Amino acid sequence: AQTVTQSQPEMSVQEAETVTLSCTYDTSESDYYLFWYKQPPSRQMILVIRQEAYKQQNATENRFSVNFQKAAKSFSLKISDSQLGDAAMYFCAYRITGGGNKLTFGTGTQLKVEL
Amino acid sequence: KAGVTQTPRYLIKTRGQQVTLSCSPISGHRSVSWYQQTPGQGLQFLFEYFSETQRNKGNFPGRFSGRQFSNSRSEMNVSTLELGDSALYLCASSSIQNSPLHFGNGTRLTVT
Repeated sequence: AQTVTQSQPEMSVQEAETVTLSCTYDTSESDYYLFWYKQPPSRQMILVIRQEAYKQQNATENRFSVNFQKAAKSFSLKISDSQLGDAAMYFCAYRITGGGNKLTFGTGTQLKVEL
Repeated sequence: KAGVTQTPRYLIKTRGQQVTLSCSPISGHRSVSWYQQTPGQGLQFLFEYFSETQRNKGNFPGRFSGRQFSNSRSEMNVSTLELGDSALYLCASSSIQNSPLHFGNGTRLTVT
């Protein structure tokens, strides 16, 4: 069974600084997707970034980038120039390619952004 | 384009009752997935429907069921409610396989 582990229940970052959220996963599959979702107090899950396992290049979306280490099964999220609006719960998630839309989520990291 | 719409936003039910939650996907999206979110178990996959057929199912008891209509709207039903069913139920839609999921705001169910 696939598992996703987020070892940091809570993280803090100063506004305008950089923070890295960790995620590791376990799978025997070779073709899959990895995601970072953000859940603010409004409860809606918002896709931050996604990575296809067959692509070696790390995905980036504006201030958000990932460090994807396939052999180590590691998928960390880096947020640069942190803003107050980045404060939220962040979830790492995994999906097998061709396995429909069944996502396996980690337990989440609560990110606090301080002035 | 309107996002994923879930109704109602809040629901309070009594143990033993049944409940139906509704999800309207983004126009054109044919896949609808349901997730349960609790503080103890986190986010867990319930099931996925695509073109009115259940494509995937998570490890939940038979009290949890769902269906999808021809217009892609989906409903989730929980019968014989238990206290442990109290959770945020999230619905997500996508257009084709391997495309990103778009989530709704969820339905907060409280069972007393």
